[in-house]
Amino acid sequence: DAGVTQSPTHLIKTRGQQVTLRCSPKSGHDTVSWYQQALGQGPQFIFQYYEEEERQRGNFPDRFSGHQFPNYSSELNVNALLLGDSALYLCASRAGRNEKLFFGSGTQLSVL
Amino acid sequence: DQQVKQNSPSLSVQEGRISILNCDYTNSMFDYFLWYKKYPAEGPTFLISISSIKDKNEDGRFTVFLNKSAKHLSLHIVPSQPGDSAVYFCAAVETYSGAGSYQLTFGKGTKLSVIP
Repeated sequence: DAGVTQSPTHLIKTRGQQVTLRCSPKSGHDTVSWYQQALGQGPQFIFQYYEEEERQRGNFPDRFSGHQFPNYSSELNVNALLLGDSALYLCASRAGRNEKLFFGSGTQLSVL
Repeated sequence: DQQVKQNSPSLSVQEGRISILNCDYTNSMFDYFLWYKKYPAEGPTFLISISSIKDKNEDGRFTVFLNKSAKHLSLHIVPSQPGDSAVYFCAAVETYSGAGSYQLTFGKGTKLSVIP
């Protein structure tokens, strides 16, 4: 049983560019959320998708947007990249109202 | 304003001894708490959790204690093993904050080193 899978694992971009990160949830999971983990910090909630709609959003600007597809997979898009967007981006999934959140290995984004 | 705090950035423990990792929270609406373990270059792995209606939950070598009045929880690992060396994150969630919403709030983590 595959867990949460994310692609790519590493990415290097320059300031002002746009990036798309992808996530496939664990089998049987229908809810996907995204977190940003800066160096030395805990993961910070970006937003959550359920039934292809954004259900909740953390304190992140509109440059961060997302999408969930009918097969429950998800994308995170970041526009107009800033140096401060350099971080590990984690995707997590859960099944229904189960309290346990399962995380992928993340995408390490470096903005130069 | 940090709602979940892990005040010890690091902890070193001898193999076989007990490891105690602490976590404090400020939001009284949090009703479910989780501990995650993270190795370098990997995502956080779920370890153990506890509901606010309980004060203790045990799973093998891992036990989580919750003191609601003090807004404090702790993770005990007994006995500690070298493979337990990792960063441990405490997370909290308000499970009834709204339809479909589920937002974990994490602490900054504690790096545990278990010395052979």
